[in-house]
Amino acid sequence: AQSVSQHNHHVILSEAASLELGCNYSYGGTVNLFWYVQYPGQHLQLLLKYFSGDPLVKGIKGFEAEFIKSKFSFNLRKPSVQWSDTAEYFCAVNNASGGYNKLIFGAGTRLAVHP
Amino acid sequence: EAGVVQSPRYKIIEKKQPVAFWCNPISGHNTLYWYRQNLGQGPELLIRYENEEAVDDSQLPKDRFSAERLKGVDSTLKIQPAELGDSAVYLCASSLKYSGMSTDTQYFGPGTRLTVL
Repeated sequence: AQSVSQHNHHVILSEAASLELGCNYSYGGTVNLFWYVQYPGQHLQLLLKYFSGDPLVKGIKGFEAEFIKSKFSFNLRKPSVQWSDTAEYFCAVNNASGGYNKLIFGAGTRLAVHP
Repeated sequence: EAGVVQSPRYKIIEKKQPVAFWCNPISGHNTLYWYRQNLGQGPELLIRYENEEAVDDSQLPKDRFSAERLKGVDSTLKIQPAELGDSAVYLCASSLKYSGMSTDTQYFGPGTRLTVL
């Protein structure tokens, strides 16, 4: 069965610090990969996604993620965080050959950015 | 464009009581998902509809949970009777899915936070 691991449950950073959130998945086949974000008091929204092609994916608000197939990883990065990036971040995967988008989510990482 | 609408936003009930959640997906979206998110965890799929057909309900606890999507638009998720362990956030999501594809973007609603006392 597929599973997703997000190793950092809580991350605290100062503004302008660089961010990297880890995401590893367990599945031997072809996957689609997603990062969702949930800002305080708001609903889950898509940050970026990878289906195929360039393994470095750029999303909204300056975020990017790199798919490293050999490491089963899809880490999220941002070179300089802002206070407004305070949120919970979820990595998710699905089986690209499954015929539909059954997302398997990680447990999430809570990011707090201090001014 | 209006997003996914869910109601109620919060619900507190006593155990053994019934409860129902309602979801109105984004207009034109043919696929609707219900997820449960326990505290400190990511969402887990309960049931998926393509139009009015439940095509994946393998994770739905069928002894107490039921769902319907009449006319392929709005959907209702029901729990009867509720148990203490059902306390969670229940999320609805919708997408426009093309046949055989797994790349559709799911748009989530704000969720219903259920507390069972």
